[in-house]
Amino acid sequence: DAGVIQSPRHEVTEMGQEVTLRCKPISGHDYLFWYRQTMMRGLELLIYFNNNVPIDDSGMPEDRFSAKMPNASFSTLKIQPSEPRDSAVYFCASSPHGTSKGELFFGEGSRLTVL
Amino acid sequence: GNSVTQMEGPVTLSEEAFLTINCTYTATGYPSLFWYVQYPGEGLQLLLKATKADDKGSNKGFEATYRKETTSFHLEKGSVQVSDSAVYFCALSDFNNAGNMLTFGGGTRLMVKP
Repeated sequence: DAGVIQSPRHEVTEMGQEVTLRCKPISGHDYLFWYRQTMMRGLELLIYFNNNVPIDDSGMPEDRFSAKMPNASFSTLKIQPSEPRDSAVYFCASSPHGTSKGELFFGEGSRLTVL
Repeated sequence: GNSVTQMEGPVTLSEEAFLTINCTYTATGYPSLFWYVQYPGEGLQLLLKATKADDKGSNKGFEATYRKETTSFHLEKGSVQVSDSAVYFCALSDFNNAGNMLTFGGGTRLMVKP
């Protein structure tokens, strides 16, 4: 059974470029979460979806960040324009029940480096 | 608001040593508590959980007891192995007050030497 699949695993880009990160959640999971991990801030929740609908995007840093979930099997996180401070590992996670039951299933992450 | 505080790492131990990683929390309501583990180059995986006071979560030789009186959820293992080297995250879920916000601690890196 495939887990959460993220792509690309690594992305190196120059400041000002558009970056798109992709996520395929586990089939049947109704919740999808985007997290950002940095040394300075640790793990931060950016946004989460329930049944493809964005529920809480209060963690999205600024208007340069946007996330979509056009269907139950695909989500994107876009940064436009990218800046060096966006360099981080971005994790997608899915869950059948949300955090009330606790377990989130994480992908392997997309490591973004903005030069 | 909710928060989780973990001991800072790295924690370096020899194989078969006893492990304790401290975790304390503050929460508005009655949270569920979790330990996640992140192996190098991978995403986080749930290690164990406890959903109410005095519950003990356990998995792979690791244990943690939900202590409401001390607001703690310390992770322990009696005999660590080199394969336990990873980053460990304590987390809480306070669904009634914070919805689907899983609050993580800063993580503690464990290094086990042969």
